Amino acid sequence: AQKITQTQPGMFVQEKEAVTLDCTYDTSDPSYGLFWYKQPSSGEMIFLIYQGSYDQQNATEGRYSLNFQKARKSANLVISASQLGDSAMYFCAMRERDSNYQLIWGAGTKLIIKP
Amino acid sequence: NAGVMQNPRHLVRRRGQEARLRCSPMKGHSHVYWYRQLPEEGLKFMVYLQKENIIDESGMPKERFSAEFPKEGPSILRIQQVVRGDSAAYFCASDRGDTEAFFGQGTRLTVV
Repeated sequence: AQKITQTQPGMFVQEKEAVTLDCTYDTSDPSYGLFWYKQPSSGEMIFLIYQGSYDQQNATEGRYSLNFQKARKSANLVISASQLGDSAMYFCAMRERDSNYQLIWGAGTKLIIKP
Repeated sequence: NAGVMQNPRHLVRRRGQEARLRCSPMKGHSHVYWYRQLPEEGLKFMVYLQKENIIDESGMPKERFSAEFPKEGPSILRIQQVVRGDSAAYFCASDRGDTEAFFGQGTRLTVV
């Protein structure tokens, strides 16, 4: 069974609009962490934001915020005021305490920002 | 504080040759993870190492692939007798064990 599901293979968004990238996860481990990474066309993997399973508040980092709905097992990434430089692949990933903290990855969403 | 350093960035090998990929973790990080990314796909876990120990190699093919993280020096992912299907981007990540993992820029292996 898929542990991380990203249902949007691709998205086109107008510059300056907000974007929500979906991520749902599946785990029975009570201790886990959720991550979003950005991979631009140059190929490097850039950490964006982290949410721990016990965190009471949604994580925010600048224009990035994580809409964490624990009961629904979703961890959507919200990018406010999108910019052309946001065009990239975005990956949701999870670490579980019981899986030696390896990162388990979704298939990614390709985001293209239109001018 | 340098980030995770991987080299080479690009590696071309003929079928049957050996590929050696190197990863120096961030300073203070004792955990190293190797991931493989095929084109248009997410990353797939291969192996998790701490200094001189393989903790979890459940994602690594049993044959031709090996990894080490010696007491001194970088972590090495070694692929013997490469085949075309080994062509991929190989990423190394490091952390202190329970924090976010920081990634290197990856090594793009092309087997011709």
